Amino acid sequence: GAVVSQHPSWVICKSGTSVKIECRSLDFQATTMFWYRQFPKQSLMLMATSNEGSKATYEQGVEKDKFLINHASLTLSTLTVTSAHPEDSSFYICSARTSKRDEQFFGPGTRLTVL
Amino acid sequence: AQTVTQSQPEMSVQEAETVTLSCTYDTSESDYYLFWYKQPPSRQMILVIRQEAYKQQNATENRFSVNFQKAAKSFSLKISDSQLGDAAMYFCAYGGNQFYFGTGTSLTVIP
Repeated sequence: GAVVSQHPSWVICKSGTSVKIECRSLDFQATTMFWYRQFPKQSLMLMATSNEGSKATYEQGVEKDKFLINHASLTLSTLTVTSAHPEDSSFYICSARTSKRDEQFFGPGTRLTVL
Repeated sequence: AQTVTQSQPEMSVQEAETVTLSCTYDTSESDYYLFWYKQPPSRQMILVIRQEAYKQQNATENRFSVNFQKAAKSFSLKISDSQLGDAAMYFCAYGGNQFYFGTGTSLTVIP
């Protein structure tokens, strides 16, 4: 099956710094990638949808200046958390989809802890 | 707007028994997919089963099967011969123009 990787799997940073999370589709071209945030024992909350070569579409309530998303190629999307604060600590999951209206393939997630 | 509802926050089943997880959704779209994803403690999302809305036949994958009632907008998951490894969070998801997740059901398997 299709494989999506995320790097890093776990990151700890100081408050005020920026953190970049990479999401890669390893064996397929992803025209659309999604970024989710998940709090403990809760469902996935969609943050934004990105299509290769175009600006990301952010969900209501998600600050686009704080969560910068770049989808520069068909296999790579990045999420940068700028000026991170402790309340940004969470589990971030990316997923990728081909052009078909079909399943999403999920990365293993990144645990972000902001001190 | 599309919504996905899972009314059972927690479920438990005896090992080797059968359990059914409920899911309802709301949509005005005619072309869509429905999914059940499993999220074990590792937090890796794993696709369990998929149903295409235009197919009347219920999808099955080994011990996993669905009861898809399109008119009622219902999509339940049945797990037969439950195993300890089935313990996880289960999310129902809708895939149309957008992708929506339900709130999840935590399944415990009792040895």
